[in-house]
Amino acid sequence: GESVGLHLPTLSVQEGDNSIINCAYSNSASDYFIWYKQESGKGPQFIIDIRSNMDKRQGQRVTVLLNKTVKHLSLQIAATQPGDSAVYFCAENIRFGPNYGGSQGNLIFGKGTKLSVKP
Amino acid sequence: EPEVTQTPSHQVTQMGQEVILRCVPISNHLYFYWYRQILGQKVEFLVSFYNNEISEKSEIFDDQFSVERPDGSNFTLKIRSTKLEDSAMYFCASKGTANTEKLFFGSGTQLSVL
Repeated sequence: GESVGLHLPTLSVQEGDNSIINCAYSNSASDYFIWYKQESGKGPQFIIDIRSNMDKRQGQRVTVLLNKTVKHLSLQIAATQPGDSAVYFCAENIRFGPNYGGSQGNLIFGKGTKLSVKP
Repeated sequence: EPEVTQTPSHQVTQMGQEVILRCVPISNHLYFYWYRQILGQKVEFLVSFYNNEISEKSEIFDDQFSVERPDGSNFTLKIRSTKLEDSAMYFCASKGTANTEKLFFGSGTQLSVL
């Protein structure tokens, strides 16, 4: 079973460097993935999403890569800034499975990675 | 930018008491959710709500929990008899249509059960 506890995986990077945050998802039937950023005391904030018919999607300073073969998702942040310091969560959803209601579904979140940016 | 608002930001209650957490989803959204996050752990799904009824609920959402949309703007989560293990940050979320999975989250209500 998976371990849970008070300690999140932590990634510490220097300001200006690129960051790569990784996530292993659990369900091979998941067809939608999303990255959220959570700053201290706030709710999750959308960063970028990707559907399973794609393997890469780019946003502003962020790129999400999807490898369905190994059920792996990554978030790349270019030129990391102090304001990027937060906990990053990946989440998955099965949108078009046989038990999917067609309009509901829900997101299954991963454990999160804490990104610390050193000035 | 429109946002999901939650009140109160902090709620302290005694074990066994009832609490109601309030949320105002984004005004033209149709799908509503409650999630919770125990300190240091991942965000967990509780319940989804659409067309005035529960669409889906997790194992966490037992008979002690209920949701309601009492009017056109509010969405509430009630815990009938709180337990110590209900202490968590509770997030409300909403989305506009069936064709998106992008949820917009509120800032949360920190519930502390003593």
